[in-house]
Amino acid sequence: QVQLVQSGAEVKKPGASVKVSCKAFAYTFTYFDINWVRQAPGQGLEWMGWMNPNSGNTGYAQKFQGRVTITKNTSISTAYLELSSLRSEDTAVYYCARRFNHDYPWAFDPWGQGTLVTVSS
Amino acid sequence: SSDLTQDPAVSVAVGQTVRITCQGDSLRTYYASWYQQKPGQAPVLVIYGKNNRPSGIPDRFSGSSSGNTASLTITGAQAEDEADYYCNSRDSSSYHVEFGGGTKLTVL
Repeated sequence: QVQLVQSGAEVKKPGASVKVSCKAFAYTFTYFDINWVRQAPGQGLEWMGWMNPNSGNTGYAQKFQGRVTITKNTSISTAYLELSSLRSEDTAVYYCARRFNHDYPWAFDPWGQGTLVTVSS
Repeated sequence: SSDLTQDPAVSVAVGQTVRITCQGDSLRTYYASWYQQKPGQAPVLVIYGKNNRPSGIPDRFSGSSSGNTASLTITGAQAEDEADYYCNSRDSSSYHVEFGGGTKLTVL
């Protein structure tokens, strides 16, 4: 079935960068946008940005501008989220999520299983 | 902080009907999508567009919208519906996306 599988948990020191991967299965990777959403412990969902895997076009939430980069490797149907200059407040579960259909860009399904990124000295 | 506002917590008795709301200016232009999230799990899309359910979502879940308020209604709530529910929509001034703060639903 259609699914997104993410890379494993990461522990990083403040100031470092992290790169999380999201591999797509059972659909044509270039047909649907990929979004990244994070969730700090006990908190709500926070949208970070999106990418069109066909064109490579991206858009980022104002809060993360300059620190976040979303990229892709089409040959292996994988999207990546890189977040730099990490601080303790970036400790969260990071999710990738596919645009569900072509009519509603903000309807996301399926979601990856999540990747816990812990920032600690 | 989010420009989409949700009540932090709502409760409902088993078998009763509950409405979860989401308020924001962008909802005057764009429909909300709704997600269910259970502890330790990724969110699941339950409603999108005017009132559409993805395959596998029970028909007790429905969506509606009026003015700046979107609503998710669960008709005949079940114990397994206990979860956090989030709305999202498109920001009125950009292609960006915003989420509501979430509503914790308790089924009594």
